[in-house]
Amino acid sequence: NAGVTQTPKFQVLKTGQSMTLQCAQDMNHNSMYWYRQDPGMGLRLIYYSASEGTTDKGEVPNGYNVSRLNKREFSLRLESAAPSQTSVYFCASIRTGGTQPQHFGDGTRLSIL
Amino acid sequence: DAKTTQPPSMDCAEGRAANLPCNHSTISGNEYVYWYRQIHSQGPQYIIHGLKNNETNEMASLIITEDRKSSTLILPHATLRDTAVYYCIVRVAQGGADGLTFGKGTHLIIQP
Repeated sequence: NAGVTQTPKFQVLKTGQSMTLQCAQDMNHNSMYWYRQDPGMGLRLIYYSASEGTTDKGEVPNGYNVSRLNKREFSLRLESAAPSQTSVYFCASIRTGGTQPQHFGDGTRLSIL
Repeated sequence: DAKTTQPPSMDCAEGRAANLPCNHSTISGNEYVYWYRQIHSQGPQYIIHGLKNNETNEMASLIITEDRKSSTLILPHATLRDTAVYYCIVRVAQGGADGLTFGKGTHLIIQP
């Protein structure tokens, strides 16, 4: 049981390059999330998807786009990477309703030079 | 979601109980207390949650005060592998669509 899988695990980009981070979950969860974590800080929500076909902005959406490709997959795209987007990116998912916790992937470590 | 206050860091000797406090004085009646931890920049790991009764699972115990304004996470026999940042998060049941609000948490260091 893989849970939440993120690819790639590491990536180095040059300023202005574009990239898509991939996330997939195999727990049949309704909602999916993208967070970023900067050094010494807690996670901050970038975008989320309450259900297939819907997406909403979180706390720090600028510079990012997302796609909920299907129930399993939720991708995060950087159209023109900037050094300020150097961070660790985490994907999470949850079954809607009830008190179940969010499940997180292991993260993508992204450096923008 | 109610805001939480946690000490930035704590030490605990290996084999002893680690008690991590969290203040959430503005908690609402329908808000739960959730605890997660993050080991060395891995993805956050869920530990336990509760509403008003004390809870225990294989990882930890959660003690919530009667007025629900504070709580304590207890790791009964801390090991070196419990060194991590621990996050206390208060919110309505996580079935809602919006994400979690993480503060800076408590960096727990288990000393050999």
